Amino acid sequence: QTVVTQEPSLTASPGGTVTLTCASSTGAVTSSLHANWFQQKPGQAPRALIFDTTKKHSWTPARFSGSLLGVKAALTLSRVQPEDEADYYCLLHYGGAQPWVFGGGTKLTVL
Amino acid sequence: EVQLVESGGGLVQPGGSLRLTCAASGFTFSDYWMHWVRQVPGKGLVWVSRVNPDGSYTNCADSVKGRFIISRDNAKNTLYLQMNSLRAEDTAVYYCVRDLNWAVSYWGQGTLMTVSS
Repeated sequence: QTVVTQEPSLTASPGGTVTLTCASSTGAVTSSLHANWFQQKPGQAPRALIFDTTKKHSWTPARFSGSLLGVKAALTLSRVQPEDEADYYCLLHYGGAQPWVFGGGTKLTVL
Repeated sequence: EVQLVESGGGLVQPGGSLRLTCAASGFTFSDYWMHWVRQVPGKGLVWVSRVNPDGSYTNCADSVKGRFIISRDNAKNTLYLQMNSLRAEDTAVYYCVRDLNWAVSYWGQGTLMTVSS
C-alpha cells in the first residue's frame, strides 16, 4: 500500500512565501508521478491548481507554483493572501491497481 | 462551461445499495477518463474508482472491490457508481472528477452518502 505524506499543518504570514511538500513511500517523487495539487476550502469541493508537477491551469493564480524539491513534489505559494487559507492536497499517479494516491493534506493557516 | 453534477446520495442502511450519478456538460465527455473520489467529512481525499473514455476498462480501490461498480453512458454524458453491500465506513462525500493526460482538472460539487441504521 503506497502512502503519500504531506505536512499536516503549516502557517504563513500575509505577503510571505510558504512551501508545501509531498513525499512518496516508494522513494523519490519524480516527474513520472505527474504530481497534481488541489486547494479545498471548508464546505467546498477541491479545486485544481497544478498538474503534471509544474503546469498551471488557466485559473491558477500566478503566485502558485509547482516543482520537484529534492525527493519530493512541492507547491510554493508566494505573496500569500488571507484567502489562501485552506487545505491543500497532492495527488501522485502510480498507475496500475492503485492509480491515484492522495496525500493526507496540509492545513495552511495565514496569520 | 464545464460542469459535473453529482446526485443520488442519501441515507441507506448497512448492507443496502445506492447508485450515484454524475451528469457532465460543457466538454466532450467521451474524451476523458472519469474517476470517483470520496472524502469522509473532516478527513482526506481517497480515490475510489476509474473508467476509461469508452467504458471498456475499469478498476477500483481494494476497499470497494467486489462491491462498487463504475460505468458510463457516453450518449447521455453520464457517469455512474453502483454501490452494493454498503458499510458504515463507506459514509462520505463522493466526487466525480475529470482526468486527461495527468491533468486532473474539474471536480463536481459532491454528494453525501450516509450508511446508517
